[in-house]
Amino acid sequence: GENVEQHPSTLSVQEGDSAVIKCTYSDSASNYFPWYKQELGKRPQLIIDIRSNVGEKKDQRIAVTLNKTAKHFSLHITETQPEDSAVYFCAASRGFYGQNFVFGPGTRLSVLP
Amino acid sequence: EPEVTQTPSHQVTQMGQEVILRCVPISNHLYFYWYRQILGQKVEFLVSFYNNEISEKSEIFDDQFSVERPDGSNFTLKIRSTKLEDSAMYFCASSVPSLRESNQPQHFGDGTRLSIL
Repeated sequence: GENVEQHPSTLSVQEGDSAVIKCTYSDSASNYFPWYKQELGKRPQLIIDIRSNVGEKKDQRIAVTLNKTAKHFSLHITETQPEDSAVYFCAASRGFYGQNFVFGPGTRLSVLP
Repeated sequence: EPEVTQTPSHQVTQMGQEVILRCVPISNHLYFYWYRQILGQKVEFLVSFYNNEISEKSEIFDDQFSVERPDGSNFTLKIRSTKLEDSAMYFCASSVPSLRESNQPQHFGDGTRLSIL
């Protein structure tokens, strides 16, 4: 089955700097890759997603890149703010209807003021 | 914006007791999921549900677990005889089908924190 690895497990950056979180996946049939942000004690919230027919997607300060050949995808946050501090989870899915997401272990991002 | 709602927010139960966790998915969504998250760990898939039957289930979802859509709005997870290791946050999620894309984001509820004593 699918296995998703995520690095780093913790990341501290200064406010205004960029943060990059990387994930690798094992199942070449995976074709949908969402990123979720989870604040302490709250629900995972979708922040951005990418499908395998696209190499990059951007939404304001957040971008995701996908390298299908290498089976890895990355989250980029620019101009980080303290409210970006949270745990970020990547996930992979084959994208069939009702297909489950396989999540990575998470990255705890701390943005220092 | 419509949300997935879950009740209760926190459930404390004695080991061996049955618990039912409740979810109301977003109204036009047709795919429903349960995930669990043990404290400090990643989110793990339990089961997906569509058209009144299980679509897929993980190894975690053994015979002590069951799901049901008892009416047009609720989606429940039942754990028959709880164990200490069932203590976790349980998230319900739902997604909507699309004719354009088979893969759609899943929207999560706030979760039910289950504590087994």
